[in-house]
Amino acid sequence: DAGVTQSPTHLIKTRGQQVTLRCSPKSGHDTVSWYQQALGQGPQFIFQYYEEEERQRGNFPDRFSGHQFPNYSSELNVNALLLGDSALYLCASSFTPNTGELFFGEGSRLTVL
Amino acid sequence: RKEVEQDPGPFNVPEGATVAFNCTYSNSASQSFFWYRQDCRKEPKLLMSVYSSGNEDGRFTAQLNRASQYISLLIRDSKLSDSATYLCVVNLVYGGSQGNLIFGKGTKLSVKP
Repeated sequence: DAGVTQSPTHLIKTRGQQVTLRCSPKSGHDTVSWYQQALGQGPQFIFQYYEEEERQRGNFPDRFSGHQFPNYSSELNVNALLLGDSALYLCASSFTPNTGELFFGEGSRLTVL
Repeated sequence: RKEVEQDPGPFNVPEGATVAFNCTYSNSASQSFFWYRQDCRKEPKLLMSVYSSGNEDGRFTAQLNRASQYISLLIRDSKLSDSATYLCVVNLVYGGSQGNLIFGKGTKLSVKP
């Protein structure tokens, strides 16, 4: 039973570029949430996808956008990258939108130069 | 005042020691509570949910004090493998979606031989 998988695991971009991160949820899960974790901080909620719609959004600018596909996988897109976007981006899946019991992927570590 | 506050540590303890982590939350409407564990440069993993009556899972005991808005995690007989950062997580809404989950910054534990 595959857990949550994310790709790529590491990437380096320069300011102003765009990035797409991908996530496949754990088998049987239909809800995907994305988090940003800066060094020394707890994860910060970006948004949640359920039934291919963005259901809830955290305090992140419109540069952050996403998508969920019919197979429940998801993408996170970040445009016009800033140095401050450097972080670990975590995808979490769950069997329902309304639970605090999340399964996280190993994350995509983004460095913006 | 931060929504979820934890002592950042690090807590350096010998094997076999008992260690307690504390967490306070600012929103009295908070409804459900969790402890997650995050190994260095890895993803968070759910350790346990915290119930009003307190709950135990092997060497781990979680307690909730709603009146004081305080959550604790006790680890007995510490093992080297317990070394990790422990994240306190609060859900502002009972059965609420992940947008209502607030993560603390975490408390780092280092268990030494």
